[in-house]
Amino acid sequence: EDQVTQSPEALRLQEGESSSLNCSYTVSGLRGLFWYRQDPGKGPEFLFTLYSAGEEKEKERLKATLTKKESFLHITAPKPEDSATYLCAVQVAQKLVFGQGTRLTINP
Amino acid sequence: GAGVSQSPRYKVAKRGQDVALRCDPISGHVSLFWYQQALGQGPEFLTYFQNEAQLDKSGLPSDRFFAERPEGSVSTLKIQRTQQEDSAVYLCASSTNTGELFFGEGSRLTVL
Repeated sequence: EDQVTQSPEALRLQEGESSSLNCSYTVSGLRGLFWYRQDPGKGPEFLFTLYSAGEEKEKERLKATLTKKESFLHITAPKPEDSATYLCAVQVAQKLVFGQGTRLTINP
Repeated sequence: GAGVSQSPRYKVAKRGQDVALRCDPISGHVSLFWYQQALGQGPEFLTYFQNEAQLDKSGLPSDRFFAERPEGSVSTLKIQRTQQEDSAVYLCASSTNTGELFFGEGSRLTVL
């Protein structure tokens, strides 16, 4: 069964304190792994797509990496505006299968 | 429009009422998806359209849920005889078939 598990469920950091979020997946034939950001009361907002092990992508303070079994979202020197829920998803046929998300809070 | 538009943003229904949720996708996007998101959880797939054809409805939880996209653009998700467990945010997303989904802000349904 295709499955996505994210950890931790929630993470509190001080402003400037770097950390990583984990996304573990089991899927037959990965077609793409996606990271989204979701603010309260909003729909998910696309961040990155990764297609093959070893691939990395960066955007401002965020960097996503991919191995054969998991993906990491690294957050460097975060700011309070980075507070959000971060969702990981894998593409299965035409649809995305999401994890439960990591709720990130950055304290000033 | 510039993005995916959903209406209503909030809907309160009494148990047993029927509801209809509308999605207006990004112009030119052939693929349209409906997801259900419970509080504190990730989105769960409900159904998928390519143009007007409903190609996958494996995620619809019961036969009370019905979705349509008759002209390949606007879509409606209908829930008949609503139950309390139907309370959730219903997200619509559209895509150009690259895999990346563009989401609307969702319709929050509360069933009393």
